[in-house]
Amino acid sequence: NAGVTQTPKFQVLKTGQSMTLQCAQDMNHNSMYWYRQDPGMGLRLIYYSASEGTTDKGEVPNGYNVSRLNKREFSLRLESAAPSQTSVYFCASSAADRGFGKLFFGSGTQLSVL
Amino acid sequence: GEDVEQSLFLSVREGDSSVINCTYTDSSSTYLYWYKQEPGAGLQLLTYIFSNMDMKQDQRLTVLLNKKDKHLSLRIADTQTGDSAIYFCAGLGGGSYIPTFGRGTSLIVHP
Repeated sequence: NAGVTQTPKFQVLKTGQSMTLQCAQDMNHNSMYWYRQDPGMGLRLIYYSASEGTTDKGEVPNGYNVSRLNKREFSLRLESAAPSQTSVYFCASSAADRGFGKLFFGSGTQLSVL
Repeated sequence: GEDVEQSLFLSVREGDSSVINCTYTDSSSTYLYWYKQEPGAGLQLLTYIFSNMDMKQDQRLTVLLNKKDKHLSLRIADTQTGDSAIYFCAGLGGGSYIPTFGRGTSLIVHP
């Protein structure tokens, strides 16, 4: 009964390094999302995928890329990390593509960029 | 699009009631949600209310919706230290399936 699984839980990068955050869900959900959470800023949507094969930009997409590898997996890539990308990243998924937007969240990845 | 506002902090004594408030802008919002985030964890849906309802009660939780003022509140009765968390208000604007989240209210419960 895993739900949404994110890896890694913690990561420290140097400025300019690249990395990929992995996310997988086992609930057969169509839609998946990547958010970042910063103190006092709440949750901001980075990218989302309404269904397998589609991705769209959210509120703060600059500096990130995503891949919807299959229905289960949705990865977030930082090509050249910057200190401004220090944040907690959450992956989420949902069943409905219209109407009831109940989201299921992973436990987060705490990323520090030095 | 939808914009959701909520105060950042609330401090209460154990056993008292807590009331967390939220305002939203989109009058066509269909669903409004309360999510809870415990320390070091992701968000979990706590409760929700459909826009044609004024109130919803679920054990210690009461959600009140004032559509005229676009105001949503979450009341937690008999607040316990285990209720200490960040509470996010979120709204689902008309025609959208992605909720817009507020900044979160940190609830601190003192023994």
